[in-house]
Amino acid sequence: AQKITQTQPGMFVQEKEAVTLDCTYDTSDQSYGLFWYKQPSSGEMIFLIYQGSYDEQNATEGRYSLNFQKARKSANLVISASQLGDSAMYFCAMEGGGSNYKLTFGKGTLLTVNP
Amino acid sequence: GAGVSQSPRYKVTKRGQDVALRCDPISGHVSLYWYRQALGQGPEFLTYFNYEAQQDKSGLPNDRFSAERPEGSISTLTIQRTEQRDSAMYRCASSLLGREAFFGQGTRLTVV
Repeated sequence: AQKITQTQPGMFVQEKEAVTLDCTYDTSDQSYGLFWYKQPSSGEMIFLIYQGSYDEQNATEGRYSLNFQKARKSANLVISASQLGDSAMYFCAMEGGGSNYKLTFGKGTLLTVNP
Repeated sequence: GAGVSQSPRYKVTKRGQDVALRCDPISGHVSLYWYRQALGQGPEFLTYFNYEAQQDKSGLPNDRFSAERPEGSISTLTIQRTEQRDSAMYRCASSLLGREAFFGQGTRLTVV
Protein backbone atom coordinates (compact mmCIF):
# COMPACT_ATOMS: atom_id res chain seq x y z
CA ALA A 1 0.00 0.00 0.00
CA GLN A 2 1.15 3.52 -0.73
CA LYS A 3 1.13 6.35 1.75
CA ILE A 4 1.78 10.06 1.50
CA THR A 5 2.54 12.13 4.57
CA GLN A 6 2.37 15.90 4.69
CA THR A 7 3.29 16.98 8.20
CA GLN A 8 2.62 20.71 7.84
CA PRO A 9 -1.09 21.51 8.13
CA GLY A 10 -0.33 25.19 7.52
CA MET A 11 2.59 27.33 6.40
CA PHE A 12 3.14 31.07 6.21
CA VAL A 13 5.60 32.87 3.94
CA GLN A 14 6.32 36.47 3.11
CA GLU A 15 5.76 37.60 -0.43
CA LYS A 16 8.86 37.21 -2.64
CA GLU A 17 10.45 34.68 -0.30
CA ALA A 18 10.94 30.96 -1.01
CA VAL A 19 9.03 28.26 0.83
CA THR A 20 9.40 24.49 1.10
CA LEU A 21 6.41 22.21 1.56
CA ASP A 22 7.28 18.80 2.94
CA CYS A 23 6.16 15.46 1.57
CA THR A 24 7.31 11.97 2.48
CA TYR A 25 6.04 8.79 0.92
CA ASP A 26 6.04 5.07 1.47
CA THR A 27 5.80 2.45 -1.24
CA SER A 28 7.14 -0.96 -2.10
CA ASP A 29 7.01 -0.23 -5.83
CA GLN A 30 10.27 0.26 -7.69
CA SER A 31 8.68 2.50 -10.28
CA TYR A 32 6.37 5.30 -9.24
CA GLY A 33 5.54 8.93 -9.88
CA LEU A 34 5.22 11.86 -7.52
CA PHE A 35 3.00 14.86 -8.09
CA TRP A 36 2.11 18.17 -6.56
CA TYR A 37 -1.29 19.77 -7.04
CA LYS A 38 -2.51 23.22 -6.00
CA GLN A 39 -6.07 23.76 -4.81
CA PRO A 40 -7.04 27.42 -4.45
CA SER A 41 -10.12 28.51 -2.55
CA SER A 42 -12.13 28.16 -5.77
CA GLY A 43 -11.76 24.40 -5.37
CA GLU A 44 -10.12 23.41 -8.64
CA MET A 45 -7.16 21.01 -8.67
CA ILE A 46 -4.22 22.38 -10.63
CA PHE A 47 -1.31 20.16 -11.63
CA LEU A 48 2.03 21.75 -10.75
CA ILE A 49 4.88 19.30 -11.18
CA TYR A 50 5.78 15.64 -11.70
CA GLN A 51 8.81 13.56 -10.72
CA GLY A 52 9.40 10.02 -11.89
CA SER A 53 11.20 7.66 -9.54
CA TYR A 54 13.89 6.98 -12.13
CA ASP A 55 14.43 10.61 -13.08
CA GLU A 56 17.94 11.56 -12.11
CA GLN A 57 17.35 15.27 -12.04
CA ASN A 58 14.92 17.13 -9.85
CA ALA A 59 11.88 18.36 -11.75
CA THR A 60 11.39 22.09 -12.25
CA GLU A 61 8.46 24.04 -13.66
CA GLY A 62 8.93 27.78 -13.54
CA ARG A 63 8.93 28.86 -9.89
CA TYR A 64 8.21 25.31 -8.74
CA SER A 65 10.87 22.71 -8.14
CA LEU A 66 10.67 19.30 -6.57
CA ASN A 67 13.45 18.34 -4.18
CA PHE A 68 13.48 14.56 -4.70
CA GLN A 69 15.51 12.53 -2.21
CA LYS A 70 14.85 8.91 -3.04
CA ALA A 71 16.79 7.36 -0.18
CA ARG A 72 14.83 9.48 2.29
CA LYS A 73 11.58 8.93 0.40
CA SER A 74 10.89 12.62 0.32
CA ALA A 75 9.54 14.84 -2.45
CA ASN A 76 9.40 18.37 -1.13
CA LEU A 77 7.96 21.21 -3.19
CA VAL A 78 9.95 24.41 -3.32
CA ILE A 79 8.19 27.58 -4.43
CA SER A 80 10.55 30.44 -5.17
CA ALA A 81 9.63 34.13 -5.07
CA SER A 82 6.22 33.54 -3.50
CA GLN A 83 3.29 35.54 -4.80
CA LEU A 84 -0.02 36.37 -3.15
CA GLY A 85 -1.72 34.12 -5.68
CA ASP A 86 0.23 31.16 -4.35
CA SER A 87 -1.99 31.12 -1.26
CA ALA A 88 -3.80 27.79 -1.54
CA MET A 89 -3.91 24.20 -0.35
CA TYR A 90 -1.10 22.07 -1.76
CA PHE A 91 -1.37 18.31 -2.13
CA CYS A 92 1.41 15.83 -2.67
CA ALA A 93 0.41 12.62 -4.44
CA MET A 94 1.91 9.48 -5.88
CA GLU A 95 0.89 6.97 -8.48
CA GLY A 96 1.67 3.33 -8.27
CA GLY A 97 3.93 1.22 -10.36
CA GLY A 98 2.98 -0.80 -13.38
CA SER A 99 -0.12 0.27 -15.22
CA ASN A 100 -2.10 1.41 -12.20
CA TYR A 101 -2.14 5.17 -12.38
CA LYS A 102 -4.43 5.94 -9.49
CA LEU A 103 -3.19 8.68 -7.23
CA THR A 104 -2.77 8.49 -3.48
CA PHE A 105 -2.93 11.95 -1.92
CA GLY A 106 -1.63 13.42 1.30
CA LYS A 107 -3.79 15.54 3.58
CA GLY A 108 -2.43 18.76 2.19
CA THR A 109 -0.67 21.90 3.42
CA LEU A 110 -2.42 25.24 3.51
CA LEU A 111 0.01 27.91 2.36
CA THR A 112 -0.64 31.55 3.15
CA VAL A 113 1.48 34.21 1.47
CA ASN A 114 1.62 37.45 3.44
CA PRO A 115 2.15 40.83 1.74
CA GLY B 1 -13.71 19.28 -24.81
CA ALA B 2 -11.18 21.79 -23.58
CA GLY B 3 -11.20 20.48 -20.04
CA VAL B 4 -12.80 17.87 -17.84
CA SER B 5 -16.45 18.72 -17.39
CA GLN B 6 -18.55 17.48 -14.50
CA SER B 7 -22.25 17.85 -13.95
CA PRO B 8 -24.08 18.83 -11.97
CA ARG B 9 -21.76 21.19 -10.07
CA TYR B 10 -23.99 20.98 -7.02
CA LYS B 11 -26.48 18.33 -6.02
CA VAL B 12 -28.70 18.26 -2.97
CA THR B 13 -30.62 15.05 -2.49
CA LYS B 14 -32.69 13.44 0.18
CA ARG B 15 -31.42 10.45 2.05
CA GLY B 16 -32.40 7.26 0.31
CA GLN B 17 -32.52 8.73 -3.19
CA ASP B 18 -30.24 7.60 -6.00
CA VAL B 19 -27.90 10.10 -7.68
CA ALA B 20 -25.91 10.00 -10.90
CA LEU B 21 -22.83 12.14 -11.36
CA ARG B 22 -21.49 12.72 -14.84
CA CYS B 23 -17.96 13.23 -16.10
CA ASP B 24 -16.97 14.24 -19.61
CA PRO B 25 -13.18 13.83 -19.91
CA ILE B 26 -10.76 15.63 -22.17
CA SER B 27 -11.19 14.37 -25.70
CA GLY B 28 -8.80 11.53 -26.44
CA HIS B 29 -7.88 10.83 -22.85
CA VAL B 30 -7.70 7.10 -22.27
CA SER B 31 -7.80 7.03 -18.48
CA LEU B 32 -10.62 8.37 -16.34
CA TYR B 33 -10.62 8.45 -12.54
CA TRP B 34 -13.15 9.15 -9.85
CA TYR B 35 -12.12 10.56 -6.48
CA ARG B 36 -14.00 11.71 -3.41
CA GLN B 37 -12.78 14.60 -1.31
CA ALA B 38 -14.05 15.36 2.16
CA LEU B 39 -13.67 18.87 3.53
CA GLY B 40 -10.11 19.55 4.62
CA GLN B 41 -8.79 16.28 3.21
CA GLY B 42 -7.01 15.16 0.11
CA PRO B 43 -8.91 13.37 -2.65
CA GLU B 44 -9.49 9.68 -2.08
CA PHE B 45 -9.44 7.24 -4.97
CA LEU B 46 -12.70 5.51 -5.88
CA THR B 47 -12.28 3.84 -9.26
CA TYR B 48 -10.70 4.23 -12.66
CA PHE B 49 -11.13 3.21 -16.30
CA ASN B 50 -8.88 2.73 -19.26
CA TYR B 51 -11.12 3.18 -22.27
CA GLU B 52 -14.38 1.46 -21.28
CA ALA B 53 -12.79 -1.12 -19.01
CA GLN B 54 -12.98 -0.57 -15.28
CA GLN B 55 -9.44 -1.35 -14.16
CA ASP B 56 -9.70 -0.81 -10.45
CA LYS B 57 -12.72 -0.31 -8.23
CA SER B 58 -11.03 -1.01 -4.96
CA GLY B 59 -11.81 2.45 -3.60
CA LEU B 60 -15.58 2.22 -3.93
CA PRO B 61 -16.81 2.26 -0.31
CA ASN B 62 -19.60 -0.30 -0.71
CA ASP B 63 -21.95 -1.82 -3.25
CA ARG B 64 -24.17 1.28 -3.31
CA PHE B 65 -21.46 2.90 -5.43
CA SER B 66 -20.97 1.95 -9.06
CA ALA B 67 -19.43 3.53 -12.14
CA GLU B 68 -19.51 2.95 -15.84
CA ARG B 69 -17.92 4.30 -19.00
CA PRO B 70 -19.74 2.37 -21.70
CA GLU B 71 -18.22 3.99 -24.79
CA GLY B 72 -14.83 4.89 -23.39
CA SER B 73 -15.64 8.56 -23.06
CA ILE B 74 -18.31 9.93 -20.69
CA SER B 75 -18.52 8.25 -17.30
CA THR B 76 -21.27 8.10 -14.71
CA LEU B 77 -20.79 7.51 -11.01
CA THR B 78 -24.00 6.28 -9.41
CA ILE B 79 -24.76 6.23 -5.71
CA GLN B 80 -27.84 4.29 -4.72
CA ARG B 81 -29.84 4.85 -1.56
CA THR B 82 -27.73 7.84 -0.55
CA GLU B 83 -26.74 8.37 3.06
CA GLN B 84 -25.57 11.51 4.83
CA ARG B 85 -22.03 10.15 5.02
CA ASP B 86 -21.94 10.22 1.21
CA SER B 87 -21.87 14.03 1.30
CA ALA B 88 -18.58 15.18 -0.23
CA MET B 89 -16.98 16.65 -3.32
CA TYR B 90 -16.78 14.06 -6.08
CA ARG B 91 -13.99 14.71 -8.54
CA CYS B 92 -13.30 13.25 -11.93
CA ALA B 93 -9.92 13.36 -13.64
CA SER B 94 -8.60 12.18 -16.97
CA SER B 95 -5.19 11.54 -18.46
CA LEU B 96 -3.64 10.09 -21.58
CA LEU B 97 -2.13 7.20 -19.64
CA GLY B 98 -0.81 8.12 -16.23
CA ARG B 99 1.40 11.15 -15.67
CA GLU B 100 -0.50 14.41 -15.52
CA ALA B 101 -4.13 13.95 -14.58
CA PHE B 102 -6.47 16.87 -15.26
CA PHE B 103 -9.26 17.35 -12.78
CA GLY B 104 -12.75 18.65 -13.31
CA GLN B 105 -14.39 21.23 -11.07
CA GLY B 106 -16.13 18.52 -9.11
CA THR B 107 -19.68 17.86 -8.01
CA ARG B 108 -20.56 18.94 -4.48
CA LEU B 109 -23.03 16.35 -3.19
CA THR B 110 -25.09 17.10 -0.11
CA VAL B 111 -27.37 14.43 1.29
CA VAL B 112 -30.02 15.82 3.65
